[in-house]
Amino acid sequence: GQNIDQPTEMTATEGAIVQINCTYQTSGFNGLFWYQQHAGEAPTFLSYNVLDGLEEKGRFSSFLSRSKGYSYLLLKELQMKDSASYLCAVMDSNYQLIWGAGTKLIIKP
Amino acid sequence: ETGVTQTPRHLVMGMTNKKSLKCEQHLGHNAMYWYKQSAKKPLELMFVYSLEERVENNSVPSRFSPECPNSSHLFLHLHTLQPEDSALYLCASSQDIGEPTDTQYFGPGTRLTVL
Repeated sequence: GQNIDQPTEMTATEGAIVQINCTYQTSGFNGLFWYQQHAGEAPTFLSYNVLDGLEEKGRFSSFLSRSKGYSYLLLKELQMKDSASYLCAVMDSNYQLIWGAGTKLIIKP
Repeated sequence: ETGVTQTPRHLVMGMTNKKSLKCEQHLGHNAMYWYKQSAKKPLELMFVYSLEERVENNSVPSRFSPECPNSSHLFLHLHTLQPEDSALYLCASSQDIGEPTDTQYFGPGTRLTVL
């Protein structure tokens, strides 16, 4: 079966760095997405990786290793507004998104 | 962000009621999606439409009935729901389907409670 694993919850301190991991087993691979979802709001697109390596976008970076079935989202200089759930999703060979259950990130002052 | 809108934002209904959820996208996209999001569970894809044609139906109970009158509007008609159907229902759109870079853009969701 297809499976996406990510931690349920993480806590970090304002100003620090946090890494949210995602491992996957899917039927084929057409890219990996990260979304941010604040409570009661729409998931919003953060990043897309299809090739191995690190993609940097301001304070957020996303890394992919296809051989290991592994990705992480790195958040630097954490701000209180970064408190949200972070969803990892993989596009399989049928171009369907397979979703993880999300990681709830709690930022403390 | 008003790219994808959903109404109502909150809905409480009894098991014998009939109601409809509405989604509208203002992004000029060709594909639209309905998802169910339950607490601490992955997003569950329910229906996919491409150019008003249904292309995916992931074994969803018939008490959920989608309608896509044009590429900008998507409805989810609800009837005789069960309490376990209580969840956040999210609508999304993308430029097309079948392309790796087709990023999906989501609406804010309808929080549905079935009593």
